[in-house]
Amino acid sequence: GAGVSQTPSNKVTEKGKYVELRCDPISGHTALYWYRQSLGQGPEFLIYFQGTGAADDSGLPNDRFFAVRPEGSVSTLKIQRTERGDSAVYLCASSLKGQGYGYTFGSGTRLTVV
Amino acid sequence: GENVGLHLPTLSVQEGDNSIINCAYSNSASDYFIWYKQESGKGPQFIIDIRSNMDKRQGQRVTVLLNKTVKHLSLQIAATQPGDSAVYFCAERNQAGTALIFGKGTTLSVSS
Repeated sequence: GAGVSQTPSNKVTEKGKYVELRCDPISGHTALYWYRQSLGQGPEFLIYFQGTGAADDSGLPNDRFFAVRPEGSVSTLKIQRTERGDSAVYLCASSLKGQGYGYTFGSGTRLTVV
Repeated sequence: GENVGLHLPTLSVQEGDNSIINCAYSNSASDYFIWYKQESGKGPQFIIDIRSNMDKRQGQRVTVLLNKTVKHLSLQIAATQPGDSAVYFCAERNQAGTALIFGKGTTLSVSS
């Protein structure tokens, strides 16, 4: 597609539930990133994929967070046993070069845990 | 550690003025820096980037200056327009070269 697409745009879930957030990167971009942005803060790095593999997952806060990219294009961020503190905007980005150089962000998924 | 911060959380200017948004970074080994603009409800949008072997880079109405001596980055916007109102983030590439590390942002408000 023309840009990075994230679905859903908004998600409200109850504490303790499982959620999946989807990211469709720009066609041909091998690098994909997930970030989390809390209100009033800058985006915080979660995980970086180069192709199908997670090249750097050091930003995932704990083992409730997991992400996959099985075919090297679409990625899913999975959060188990959600907590109120997980409420944030989850941003996905992709790039042609990877390696932390400038990339294109999607509009994000706003997750609210109630 | 790796940290990118900003000098001012907010900046208010009149339409037509030039704006300067500042950013301080802590990692002297950082080799790549970038500025993003984020409007309400949208993802960050690339504005301009610069590598550490440069001091200045110009785009359309924007200029980024890099002072490695004092670890300072600035974004200059010429003839600021109401459409420039947004939150501006600077970011640096992390030491592993795998991600960008963002600061907290400066909110630019442009009044007509």
